[in-house]
Amino acid sequence: GAVVSQHPSWVICKSGTSVKIECRSLDFQATTMFWYRQFPKQSLMLMATSNEGSKATYEQGVEKDKFLINHASLTLSTLTVTSAHPEDSSFYICSARDTMGGTYEQYFGPGTRLTVT
Amino acid sequence: EDQVTQSPEALRLQEGESSSLNCSYTVSGLRGLFWYRQDPGKGPEFLFTLYSAGEEKEKERLKATLTKKESFLHITAPKPEDSATYLCAVRVNSGSARQLTFGSGTQLTVLP
Repeated sequence: GAVVSQHPSWVICKSGTSVKIECRSLDFQATTMFWYRQFPKQSLMLMATSNEGSKATYEQGVEKDKFLINHASLTLSTLTVTSAHPEDSSFYICSARDTMGGTYEQYFGPGTRLTVT
Repeated sequence: EDQVTQSPEALRLQEGESSSLNCSYTVSGLRGLFWYRQDPGKGPEFLFTLYSAGEEKEKERLKATLTKKESFLHITAPKPEDSATYLCAVRVNSGSARQLTFGSGTQLTVLP
């Protein structure tokens, strides 16, 4: 149980294009999902908190117009990197909180490796 | 400001050589301390949650303990497959989101 998937697992795109990453909770409902980015040999940095049916909450320094988050259902959140640049290349990881189960544990997806050329 | 510090940054052990990883924290309103394992190129895998000082949890060769200022992840007789980065995170009661703040991790290598 408590499986979170991400799609795609890796993507290469050209500078200036947009890329969408999906995060799904497969066997539980998640009113809250979180998006992190991780640079090589560094820890996870929270980018934003995604709430089903409402606007995402972004961490300080994260451009909300560049990183568009949509949490359209209790099992799906998407992160769109708009007008991507090489410095956006990173490992993006989502997590989902099992709010219905009452444990409030966070379960992480396998991550998406984004490379912008 | 909430801070989570993990030490050492890297640890190399021989198979069977027990050791401990440290996670010290300075937070206001701790609502849980979490340990995760992360393999290269993958997302973190949940290991333990600890909520109060004195609490201990075990899973196979791993045992996590918690005090008011730090947590330890004890690894008993490790095997090469225990090689991974171990992340510690704290949940603080920030508004209603209850976000996790991560430490920088300890990269563990267990040599056969």
